[in-house]
Parts: sequence; structure tokens; C-alpha cells
Amino acid sequence: GQQLNQSPQSMFIQEGEDVSMNCTSSSIFNTWLWYKQDPGEGPVLLIALYKAGELTSNGRLTAQFGITRKDSFLNISASIPSDVGIYFCAGRENVDGNKLVFGAGTILRVKS
Amino acid sequence: GAVVSQHPSRVICKSGTSVKIECRSLDFQATTMFWYRQFPKQSLMLMATSNEGSKATYEQGVEKDKFLINHASLTLSTLTVTSAHPEDSSFYICSARASNYNEQFFGPGTRLTVL
Repeated sequence: GQQLNQSPQSMFIQEGEDVSMNCTSSSIFNTWLWYKQDPGEGPVLLIALYKAGELTSNGRLTAQFGITRKDSFLNISASIPSDVGIYFCAGRENVDGNKLVFGAGTILRVKS
Repeated sequence: GAVVSQHPSRVICKSGTSVKIECRSLDFQATTMFWYRQFPKQSLMLMATSNEGSKATYEQGVEKDKFLINHASLTLSTLTVTSAHPEDSSFYICSARASNYNEQFFGPGTRLTVL
């Protein structure tokens, strides 16, 4: 089945540093999504990407949809303590399809 | 807008009992709802997809007789874990999708502990 490889598994960074995480897949996706999950909560959508090569920002967050449609990255600039959480990438084969495949998640810890 | 709620947020039950979890879209009509399970420090795994008024579609390996899903209205879906066992203990998360928007909005999750 479809699999997403997300890395790194975890990061412990100093407040103010930039963060980068990425996902790769064995198959082509037509949608890439990035979510953040706080402990004991459901995921919240951060950025949605629908076109190969698309680069989208949401405040301090920037994400790109890889040209090959098999990868995506998420950057967080100037991290702050509230950035702490688990970040998941998710992919979907069809833009209007239902099923999402999730990466394993990146645990982000910020040292202030 | 686009708020999804779940009830209860936490439930502890005895082995062999059944537990019902509700998922509601509060400010939009959800033509499709999804149920996920998340084990500690793991990712979300889709269990089933349900469309209002029709039977749910279960993912491979998910027992439909054990995890009963009802999507009786455009704002409510329920997941019933029947004859729960300790291995069913997990974090269950629902999501809902409106007909006019591609993405799913997730509920806050329900922590199920089976003793």
C-alpha cells in the first residue's frame, strides 16, 4: 500500500531557530497536506498543496509540493515555544478523493 | 467555522462492554465523515469512511462487526466499539468533510481505555 516516510522523527531545537521536515512517498500524490497535533487533541490543518512545485506560506510556515509529486517539505522559521507539537504530513492520490495517508509524524520540542 | 466535536473526550470501560463515541460537525453539513485510530506515538490510521445515509466503507483489517459506524444525519456520525477489549484502548479521532471543500476537519479525539 501507499507509504509516507517522514523525517526527522523528532527535533529538539533552540527558540528562534528555523526548522525543516520532509516527507517522501513511494507513489505519486496529487495533494500534500501538513497538520499539527497538540497532545490529546486532533490534528489541525496548517497548509494544503495541490500543484506540483507549489510553494505556500502560512505565517512563519512554508511548505512545498515537490516537482516529482512524491515529496513535500515544511519549514518553520524563527521557532517559538508554542510551535511544540507533532507535525504530520498527509497525502492523497486524487484532489477530490477521500482517503488520506499520514506520515509517522515529527515531534518538535523547542528550548527557550 | 468548520468545528468538529467529539463526545466523550475520555471513557474508561470494562472489558466486554460496548462504547459509543459521537462525532458532530457543529457549523457545517458533513457529507463524509472519517474515523481514525491513533496508538501512542504513532500516526493516524484510517478505520472507515462513512457517507450520510449509506453504509460505511471499512479499511482492510478493520472488523465492521466490532466497530459499528452510523452516519444518520449530515452532522452526526457515531462509532460503537462492541465487546471492547484492552487491545481496543486507543485514541479515536473523527473528521468531517463538507461537499464544497476538499479537506477534512478533525475532532479533538476520544481516549478509550478498556480495563
